[in-house]
Amino acid sequence: DSGVTQTPKHLITATGQRVTLRCSPRSGDLSVYWYQQSLDQGLQFLIQYYNGEERAKGNILERFSAQQFPDLHSELNLSSLELGDSALYFCASSPVGREVHGYTFGSGTRLTVV
Amino acid sequence: AQSVAQPEDQVNVAEGNPLTVKCTYSVSGNPYLFWYVQYPNRGLQFLLKYITGDNLVKGSYGFEAEFNKSQTSFHLKKPSALVSDSALYFCAVRDDNYGQNFVFGPGTRLSVLP
Repeated sequence: DSGVTQTPKHLITATGQRVTLRCSPRSGDLSVYWYQQSLDQGLQFLIQYYNGEERAKGNILERFSAQQFPDLHSELNLSSLELGDSALYFCASSPVGREVHGYTFGSGTRLTVV
Repeated sequence: AQSVAQPEDQVNVAEGNPLTVKCTYSVSGNPYLFWYVQYPNRGLQFLLKYITGDNLVKGSYGFEAEFNKSQTSFHLKKPSALVSDSALYFCAVRDDNYGQNFVFGPGTRLSVLP
């Protein structure tokens, strides 16, 4: 157990639907990062939050959004889902915004859009 | 901009033989370099990192990596491979002059054959 908790582990939904993925960072970590892992795109950085505020944005679609709550857990919202959104979504956390110690990853949420 | 290349999609090695998984990077400042391993249906796990200091870095599970500034490489090595080392390996880099997010390589699948 890495200390980063992601729920649900698996999600199957239909095209056009909306889902919410949840991440609880490791205790004490202020930064949360979301990544998408698909077979053809590799590991793509989506967005980072630090202590409740958006810190950096990567290749995140406009249909996707995220937030970090006062208790530091984060949610990634995916809407108007398409078949191509099927992927593993990882959350990672680190102690502070400019941390050199790397990230701690959760075990991911596998999203299947049918 | 920062980037990472892992030139081999797949590396096959016999159990007991030495293994090398290659990584090259491009940054404008000084690099922070990491290796992560991903086992099936699991999140990424930290193996080792180079921030500064000795060019040879030792990490978890008997892995080590050598930082070579002139060749901008950070190859992962292990003297004697185990079947249980079979997994997906990711190299990641962060430029100390460029934000705080890591860029991950595309991953190299290591297969250790008994």
